[in-house]
Amino acid sequence: DIQMTQSPSSLSASVGDRVTITCQASQDITNYLNWYQQKPGKAPKLLIYDASNVETGVPSRFSGSGSGTDFTFTISSLQPEDIATYYCQQYDNLLFTFGPGTKVEIK
Amino acid sequence: QMQLVQSGPEVKKPGTSVKVSCKASGFSFTSSAMQWVRQARGQRLEWIGWIVVGSGNTNYAQKFQKRVTITRDMSTSTAYMELSSLRSEDTAVYYCAALSGYSYGYKYWGQGTLVTVSS
Repeated sequence: DIQMTQSPSSLSASVGDRVTITCQASQDITNYLNWYQQKPGKAPKLLIYDASNVETGVPSRFSGSGSGTDFTFTISSLQPEDIATYYCQQYDNLLFTFGPGTKVEIK
Repeated sequence: QMQLVQSGPEVKKPGTSVKVSCKASGFSFTSSAMQWVRQARGQRLEWIGWIVVGSGNTNYAQKFQKRVTITRDMSTSTAYMELSSLRSEDTAVYYCAALSGYSYGYKYWGQGTLVTVSS
């Protein structure tokens, strides 16, 4: 199975800051990479699919990029409501895997 | 609107099995695919497996291969996840989720079902 790593595991930033999270796959997954936001006690929410496509209704401050093995998720201007844990998820060869998650907090 | 409604919380003894249901409405169930994911308290999301509803084809994470069965009933638009030989480490919230229909992103999620394994 493909393994996913994410960094950092947690971060603290100020409102308005640019926040970047990286996700790395153990082998080439082309662009089959999703990003989810999960708030405490809630189900995950799909933000980005196919590495760089923003899901309908998701604010434009969220973006994604990358292909192959290295991917980046960005919040261009952190808002208080963005406090959550963010997970990448890959799809390859009929299997999915989540990254370990990045917890985002407000400084 | 599109909705996935899961069955209620379960308390199980070690060594037994649990079957969680996920009823879909508001979209074409037969054209969709459903994944099952779990999350122990304070832990990461863990992918269990998925089913392509129309064909019934399934794929499971290696960790769960021998203990999990995902099925569906197209007559009731319901997907099921059964986990056997339960142990305390299986205590978690179990989620179902459906693909968006235009990508491999899971857009629609159930509310989660807490499964507690305790003697």
